[in-house]
Amino acid sequence: KQEVTQIPAALSVPEGENLVLNCSFTDSAIYNLQWFRQDPGKGLTSLLLIQSSQREQTSGRLNASLDKSSGRSTLYIAASQPGDSATYLCAVLRGSGTYKYIFGTGTRLKVLA
Amino acid sequence: NAGVTQTPKFRVLKTGQSMTLLCAQDMNHEYMYWYRQDPGMGLRLIHYSVGEGTTAKGEVPDGYNVSRLKKQNFLLGLESAAPSQTSVYFCASSYWDRLSNQPQHFGDGTRLSIL
Repeated sequence: KQEVTQIPAALSVPEGENLVLNCSFTDSAIYNLQWFRQDPGKGLTSLLLIQSSQREQTSGRLNASLDKSSGRSTLYIAASQPGDSATYLCAVLRGSGTYKYIFGTGTRLKVLA
Repeated sequence: NAGVTQTPKFRVLKTGQSMTLLCAQDMNHEYMYWYRQDPGMGLRLIHYSVGEGTTAKGEVPDGYNVSRLKKQNFLLGLESAAPSQTSVYFCASSYWDRLSNQPQHFGDGTRLSIL
């Protein structure tokens, strides 16, 4: 059974720091992995999607990497800002055509001004 | 840009009552999903649909029913509400893609309390 874990559950950093959020999964047979952002009282916003054949994806100050063999993904946020404060979730797609994502429980990030 | 719209945003029910949550998307997406989000458990898939007139069970379908009579709408019904169904419910939609590489678009959620 696929399990997705995100550690730490919460993180506070001063503004300007570069930071890394971690996501690990138990079954390496994934089809893709997505990183989402969730603001309080809001839904999820897709940040980056990494296909299983890819090693990383970049969007602005965000960079996500994927290492299927070790069951790990990282989300790198450069030069963090208070506006980055949110909960970040990762989710893995178990197989083509099923569209059944397994979500982690998220890392709650607070960037202090 | 409306995207994915969920109604209602908040609701309080008594045990045993029934209700329907509505999800509407204006992006012509084939796939639609209902999730529930509970503290410490992440999002769990309740039911999903791969097109108009189709539905399928997800991870936690018991106590819920769904219908997709129109492509743009996906309804989630609680037949007889129980306190264990107190949760935040999210609807999402996405394009069909042969390579399954289309991101999901989420609504803002429905906060449901069962007393």
